[in-house]
Amino acid sequence: SQQGEEDPQALSIQEGENATMNCSYKTSINNLQWYRQNSGRGLVHLILIRSNEREKHSGRLRVTLDTSKKSSSLLITASRAADTASYFCATENTGTASKLTFGTGTRLQVTL
Amino acid sequence: SQTIHQWPATLVQPVGSPLSLECTVEGTSNPNLYWYRQAAGRGLQLLFYSIGIDQISSEVPQNLSASRPQDRQFILSSKKLLLSDSGFYLCAWSLTVGRGGYTFGSGTRLTVV
Repeated sequence: SQQGEEDPQALSIQEGENATMNCSYKTSINNLQWYRQNSGRGLVHLILIRSNEREKHSGRLRVTLDTSKKSSSLLITASRAADTASYFCATENTGTASKLTFGTGTRLQVTL
Repeated sequence: SQTIHQWPATLVQPVGSPLSLECTVEGTSNPNLYWYRQAAGRGLQLLFYSIGIDQISSEVPQNLSASRPQDRQFILSSKKLLLSDSGFYLCAWSLTVGRGGYTFGSGTRLTVV
């Protein structure tokens, strides 16, 4: 079953703009992760944020986590055409260690 | 360094035929291994996961089975494929829970005709 729901389902921006994607989940988590998938390819791990963390940065990526609202956001700053991909959040849920449950994804299109 | 190999990249199979997809991991020991399926334009559905040889958990009842004959080998099988088995199959591995993310293979696009 799907744990996370990403919002929006699709996002189109121009190069240089920031892109924000949101993820909501339903159960208690150990950590939340974001992945990127280029069309027809495997997923690439971007960043992991633990349940006791509120914000994390990696290069142009900024992830926030609000466990009280069961939500997370991924911000990509100064987007590039190469950032065009689908982005998925995934949760490792408390009590179901070793398994990730993925959301439905946000399709990001960055145009020149 | 660790690598994951998944093959074939694409596969077209007739309904009722058998299936065997293989995934191997190199450069690590005792990984957790996973099979996911992704329907077109959708998220990933966990099919099977394994925390050790011959320790396999099935997440959803279906027409598929999984085996782990060796520590770093994970096989997805079916005796008779259905049209609904079409999709993009992804193998992944991870180590210590909560320490890092999964590493995914490049996927197999299966079309059952």
